[in-house]
Amino acid sequence: RKEVEQDPGPFNVPEGATVAFNCTYSNSASQSFFWYRQDCRKEPKLLMSVYSSGNEDGRFTAQLNRASQYISLLIRDSKLSDSATYLCAGGSNFGNEKLTFGTGTRLTIIP
Amino acid sequence: GAGVSQSPRYKVAKRGQDVALRCDPISGHVSLFWYQQALGQGPEFLTYFQNEAQLDKSGLPSDRFFAERPEGSVSTLKIQRTQQEDSAVYLCASYPGGAGNTIYFGEGSWLTVV
Repeated sequence: RKEVEQDPGPFNVPEGATVAFNCTYSNSASQSFFWYRQDCRKEPKLLMSVYSSGNEDGRFTAQLNRASQYISLLIRDSKLSDSATYLCAGGSNFGNEKLTFGTGTRLTIIP
Repeated sequence: GAGVSQSPRYKVAKRGQDVALRCDPISGHVSLFWYQQALGQGPEFLTYFQNEAQLDKSGLPSDRFFAERPEGSVSTLKIQRTQQEDSAVYLCASYPGGAGNTIYFGEGSWLTVV
């Protein structure tokens, strides 16, 4: 079993809809979690950090559930520009921030 | 520049050839990481440096892979006797340290072994 698991998708969602992804992690020692966005043939870029009970940034909301060991990403009012692969990652937060990534979830927003 | 810089961006190597991939991290970032990303997969950890010290190389897939960062800034990932399964994007990332921060990736070096 991979340490971080995601549904690879693809998710094809109409513009304006709300879409949610989940990511599960198996290492209970993981302290910090992140969502990265990766466009085709580009490097991953940080979308959101997820700490304690989660956080919100505009149309994006990330939640952490330590008891069930999963994090989620919710995108509201989805836009064509949201089409990308979304990677979740966990780190030990012991000062080196070595991250373990999931395989990524591919999202396509349909006009 | 302000970001992590990697070169070459694209490399085609014949099987058995040695390759060297360079990473120039963000100025002042003491931590540097190398990741390997195969097509359709997430980045997989290869190795980690803090300044010039290689503190973790547990992700290097074989002894054909070697990384160095002799002066604590620029790093080189070397792959000897390349094999087709080495074809991937090699991502370098640097980390500023401290709470609330995360790693920042370069654009990657795309390696194709033919």
